[in-house]
Amino acid sequence: DSGVTQTPKHLITATGQRVTLRCSPRSGDLSVYWYQQSLDQGLQFLIQYYNGEERAKGNILERFSAQQFPDLHSELNLSSLELGDSALYFCASSVSAGQSGNTIYFGEGSWLTVV
Amino acid sequence: AQSVTQLGSHVSVSEGALVLLRCNYSSSVPPYLFWYVQYPNQGLQLLLKYTTGATLVKGINGFEAEFKKSETSFHLTKPSAHMSDAAEYFCAVQTTGNQFYFGTGTSLTVIP
Repeated sequence: DSGVTQTPKHLITATGQRVTLRCSPRSGDLSVYWYQQSLDQGLQFLIQYYNGEERAKGNILERFSAQQFPDLHSELNLSSLELGDSALYFCASSVSAGQSGNTIYFGEGSWLTVV
Repeated sequence: AQSVTQLGSHVSVSEGALVLLRCNYSSSVPPYLFWYVQYPNQGLQLLLKYTTGATLVKGINGFEAEFKKSETSFHLTKPSAHMSDAAEYFCAVQTTGNQFYFGTGTSLTVIP
């Protein structure tokens, strides 16, 4: 158990809909990352937050947004869903934001299926 | 720009044989390097990492990796494969902004 909690574990929704994925980082971790894993794209970095502020952006679509709340949990919002958004979405957390050698710890992921 | 290349998306070895998974990186500054393993239907977990110091790093489950700056490589090895090693393995580089860039992964199959 990494200490990173993601909900829901599985989600099936229709095209055009909106979903919210939730992540609670490890106790004491200030940095949260979101990744998308699909068969054809591999593990893609979406976005990073540190202590409530956006820190880095990766290949995140405009239809997707995220935030980190004062209690440090984070939500990833996916809207106008398309079939191609079906993937495993991972949240990860780490203590710091700079290059420090700190490990990032992954949750078990949220499986999203768009039908 | 940082990037990680994992040569071989699929590697098969016999049980008891040497495991060698290759990782090369490109980085404009000395990187921090990581290997993660993903078992089916699970998240990624850390195998080992290199930050500073000794270039040969030992990790969990008998795995080790050697940082070779001259070759920009961080290959993962295990002397003797076990059936339980079958999984997806990811190499990653950590940048100055604490962003992690992952390779495309190598699926390891262990043949009994």
